[in-house]
Amino acid sequence: GESVGLHLPTLSVQEGDNSIINCAYSNSASDYFIWYKQESGKGPQFIIDIRSNMDKRQGQRVTVLLNKTVKHLSLQIAATQPGDSAVYFCAETSSGSARQLTFGSGTQLTVLP
Amino acid sequence: KAGVTQTPRYLIKTRGQQVTLSCSPISGHRSVSWYQQTPGQGLQFLFEYFSETQRNKGNFPGRFSGRQFSNSRSEMNVSTLELGDSALYLCASSLGGTGDYGYTFGSGTRLTVV
Repeated sequence: GESVGLHLPTLSVQEGDNSIINCAYSNSASDYFIWYKQESGKGPQFIIDIRSNMDKRQGQRVTVLLNKTVKHLSLQIAATQPGDSAVYFCAETSSGSARQLTFGSGTQLTVLP
Repeated sequence: KAGVTQTPRYLIKTRGQQVTLSCSPISGHRSVSWYQQTPGQGLQFLFEYFSETQRNKGNFPGRFSGRQFSNSRSEMNVSTLELGDSALYLCASSLGGTGDYGYTFGSGTRLTVV
């Protein structure tokens, strides 16, 4: 079946550097994508989303890029802070999926002091 | 405003028993979805309820069931527990309208089956 997957299971960055987390998806019908952050003992927390009619969206310190040609999604975190250490998931859905989110496997981001 | 509340936070059950988990959505949210999170399978969709009706169901056996009450609170039940049912069970609420994907997750219920 089709699924959303992540390229790297772990990522370590120095505090203050920029982080880039990647995600590949295979369902060409996907039209809505979300990035979540999950800290230990907590549920996924919404970071930023993007619809398929856009290729870039910016939030506070975060940017999501969508490349529909190669079915690739990325999350960029500027000036990474220790509080950014967590597992990051991408998720996708479509109007044809009846409101079901399909999650990637997650990337563990560790921010080094 | 209050977030999504899941109770209990932790549960230990014996194989063969059944369990009921509860989820109270954000006030005004009419949709509640349930997900299972395990290290091996990641986050997998169980089912979604909207206005007391199951609107969508994932690929889980019939031992997994749920319901939603008129106040939008939802419960999920797992019968005849198996060791492999040990997982973090998450619920997410949203307004549930067409084109609305503003899901907010609870902190989950950690179920351990021994």
